[in-house]
Amino acid sequence: SQQGEEDPQALSIQEGENATMNCSYKTSINNLQWYRQNSGRGLVHLILIRSNEREKHSGRLRVTLDTSKKSSSLLITASRAADTASYFCATDPSTSQGGSEKLVFGKGTKLTVNP
Amino acid sequence: DTGVSQDPRHKITKRGQNVTFRCDPISEHNRLYWYRQTLGQGPEFLTYFQNEAQLEKSRLLSDRFSAERPKGSFSTLEIQRTEQGDSAMYLCASSLKRGKGDTQYFGPGTRLTVL
Repeated sequence: SQQGEEDPQALSIQEGENATMNCSYKTSINNLQWYRQNSGRGLVHLILIRSNEREKHSGRLRVTLDTSKKSSSLLITASRAADTASYFCATDPSTSQGGSEKLVFGKGTKLTVNP
Repeated sequence: DTGVSQDPRHKITKRGQNVTFRCDPISEHNRLYWYRQTLGQGPEFLTYFQNEAQLEKSRLLSDRFSAERPKGSFSTLEIQRTEQGDSAMYLCASSLKRGKGDTQYFGPGTRLTVL
């Protein structure tokens, strides 16, 4: 079963604009990760944010995490045509043993950046 | 290129045939994961290994599926008596277990089509 839900399911913007994608999840987590997937390809890891962190930056990416609302957002600034891909959030659910070992993915947001 | 390789990249087979996929993780990684992804969905966890030990299997992994990781290096995923519902992308990932929650690096996937 899939825990995370990304919103929106699809997003189309112009090059240079910012893109914001949201992710909601259901259970307590150790960390949350964002991945990118180009059509028919494998997943590329973008960023990991731990449950005790609230915000993280990497290049043009900014991720926030609100554990009280069980939600995260991914902001891509100054988007480029090459950013066109599907973006997935993946949670690492916490367990009584202190850490689960599998990632639970949402269905993804399909981002299209028009040149 | 994440350093995780999978072979073959594409496999077309007839219903009832057996298929085997191979995954070569990043060499120093002690954890190896298998996920399955169907069209329009996020990846779903199948199983994972720490070194050569298979530590968890999803309910998705029916009796027709078997995974091995001899000597804790590469892994194979075999599907016996394939069914049309097995058509999916099979993704392998690896990580270095250091603490709670580690980045998983994904391979390019093997796309299976069962006719």
